[in-house]
Amino acid sequence: KAGVTQTPRYLIKTRGQQVTLSCSPISGHRSVSWYQQTPGQGLQFLFEYFSETQRNKGNFPGRFSGRQFSNSRSEMNVSTLELGDSALYLCASFVGPPNTGELFFGEGSRLTVL
Amino acid sequence: AQSVSQHNHHVILSEAASLELGCNYSYGGTVNLFWYVQYPGQHLQLLLKYFSGDPLVKGIKGFEAEFIKSKFSFNLRKPSVQWSDTAEYFCAVNDGGGADGLTFGKGTHLIIQP
Repeated sequence: KAGVTQTPRYLIKTRGQQVTLSCSPISGHRSVSWYQQTPGQGLQFLFEYFSETQRNKGNFPGRFSGRQFSNSRSEMNVSTLELGDSALYLCASFVGPPNTGELFFGEGSRLTVL
Repeated sequence: AQSVSQHNHHVILSEAASLELGCNYSYGGTVNLFWYVQYPGQHLQLLLKYFSGDPLVKGIKGFEAEFIKSKFSFNLRKPSVQWSDTAEYFCAVNDGGGADGLTFGKGTHLIIQP
């Protein structure tokens, strides 16, 4: 069974640009959540989607947004990039709500902002 | 808001030594508790979980954890570690209703010396 696939794996952007990251969940999983991982703050919850609807949102500014498509694939977007947005962005999928925490993580998209 | 504290950021042990990694959380209600592990170059994966019932839970690869409600703790243990246990270990919590994403601790980097 294929795991969670995230693309791109690595990318470099400059301040002020925007970026879109993609996540394909495990087949049959209808929920996707996103996390930001940095050395200083660790893993922080960004948002969670189910059936194309955002169910929960973490404490991040409005520059961070996401969406989910009818096939459960998800994208997240960060606009007006700042240096502090450099991080590993992790996507995780699970069967469906409630979020019992048994998440299946992808390998992440490493974003570097210069 | 929930928070998770992992007491040790770096732990170095020799093979066959016993392991205990501390985890404390702050949340007054019903919680689900987890330990995730990230081996070098791999994605995060679930090690074990506690939802309810027996407070001593067993996970993969000989790991176990004990939920002590009065201490808000969920410490991870292994009686005899192996070199292959070298990894980053994350404690995580979400509320029992599954309404929020996971709140992670900042992780413990465990190095096992042969």
